[in-house]
Amino acid sequence: DIQMTQSPSSLSASVGDRVTITCQASQGITNYLNWYQQKPGKAPKLLIYDASNLETGVPSRFSGSGSGTDFTFTISSLQPEDIATYYCQHYDNLPITFGQGTRLEIK
Amino acid sequence: EVQLVESGGGLVQPGGSLRLSCAASGFTVSSNYMSWVRQAPGKGLEWVSVIYSGGSTYYADSVKGRFTISRHNSKNTLYLQMNSLRAEDTAVYYCARSRGGGNPYQFDYWGQGTLVTVSS
Repeated sequence: DIQMTQSPSSLSASVGDRVTITCQASQGITNYLNWYQQKPGKAPKLLIYDASNLETGVPSRFSGSGSGTDFTFTISSLQPEDIATYYCQHYDNLPITFGQGTRLEIK
Repeated sequence: EVQLVESGGGLVQPGGSLRLSCAASGFTVSSNYMSWVRQAPGKGLEWVSVIYSGGSTYYADSVKGRFTISRHNSKNTLYLQMNSLRAEDTAVYYCARSRGGGNPYQFDYWGQGTLVTVSS
């Protein structure tokens, strides 16, 4: 199984900050990577697919990049409503797996 | 509007069975890739199973042989039959639809989740 390792596990930042989360795959997955946002008590929400494509309706402050084994998720200017846990997920082969999550808090 | 509504969760004893349902509206279940994803309390996300539009099914090793994914086309509903339940199956179970484009694993719509608790 492909292991997805996110860093950091938790992060505290101020409103307006640029926030970056990384996700590393245990083997190359080309660009077969999604990013999700999950708020407490809610279902995950797809933000980025194919590593860098913004899902319809998602604010442009969210972006993704990378290929192969190393990926980055960025919030260009943190907003209060962005407080959530973020997950990467590969779909290179089965089983698809998720990263362990990055919990984002407001400083 | 696309909606997914899960039901069927609850408390079950180890070794017991439960069937989860996911009623869909706003799209046709049989024309899409549909998955179940679970989340143990306070933990991360774990993919459980998928059914392709053509009917093929796949499972995580942790549930293979115990869980069965299926759909009822006229009811536009997805199911997960769970047998031989274990404590480690305790989780919120989400059904999820894959976005268009032919990829089965880009989940653009999710249900609200249903909690399954396996305990004596």
